[in-house]
Amino acid sequence: KNQVEQSPQSLIILEGKNCTLQCNYTVSPFSNLRWYKQDTGRGPVSLTIMTFSENTKSNGRYTATLDADTKQSSLHITASQLSDSASYICVVRGGSYIPTFGRGTSLIVHP
Amino acid sequence: DVKVTQSSRYLVKRTGEKVFLECVQDMDHENMFWYRQDPGLGLRLIYFSYDVKMKEKGDIPEGYSVSREKKERFSLILESASTNQTSMYLCASSTGGNQPQHFGDGTRLSIL
Repeated sequence: KNQVEQSPQSLIILEGKNCTLQCNYTVSPFSNLRWYKQDTGRGPVSLTIMTFSENTKSNGRYTATLDADTKQSSLHITASQLSDSASYICVVRGGSYIPTFGRGTSLIVHP
Repeated sequence: DVKVTQSSRYLVKRTGEKVFLECVQDMDHENMFWYRQDPGLGLRLIYFSYDVKMKEKGDIPEGYSVSREKKERFSLILESASTNQTSMYLCASSTGGNQPQHFGDGTRLSIL
């Protein structure tokens, strides 16, 4: 069964600090992996997509990595801001029409 | 910018009522999706549609039906609402392939 596991479930950090969110998956075959950010009361918004041949991709202060051999991805947030407080969802698409969603990591950034 | 609009942000209904949740997208996307989101469970797919009048069951279709009469509109129907259908409902659309899903801001539905 295709599964996407995210850790930690929740995380609290101080403003200005860095953090890393993890995503492990068992989806096979692999097509792509996407990270979404969901602000409270809003729908998820795509941050970045990783395909099989990509190891690292940055979007501003967000850097995603992918290790297709170990089926792991991470999302690193540099110099966190209060606006980074959100839920981060890892979504993996395999051979079927429908992607598999992780349950998300809830990040709180305190001033 | 793609816009996915859900008709209500908050909705309160009674057990046994028939409930309609509406979703409209303005980017001519072929694919549309309905999810529910519950604390600790993440997003779970209820139904999706890849074309007008086409629909496919997702992971948790029981108690729900859908309608897609026009390309831009995808409706979720709770045939006889029950308290365990209290949840956040999210609609999304996409062109498929490697393109992202674009989500609405959700409808928080309470069944009393």
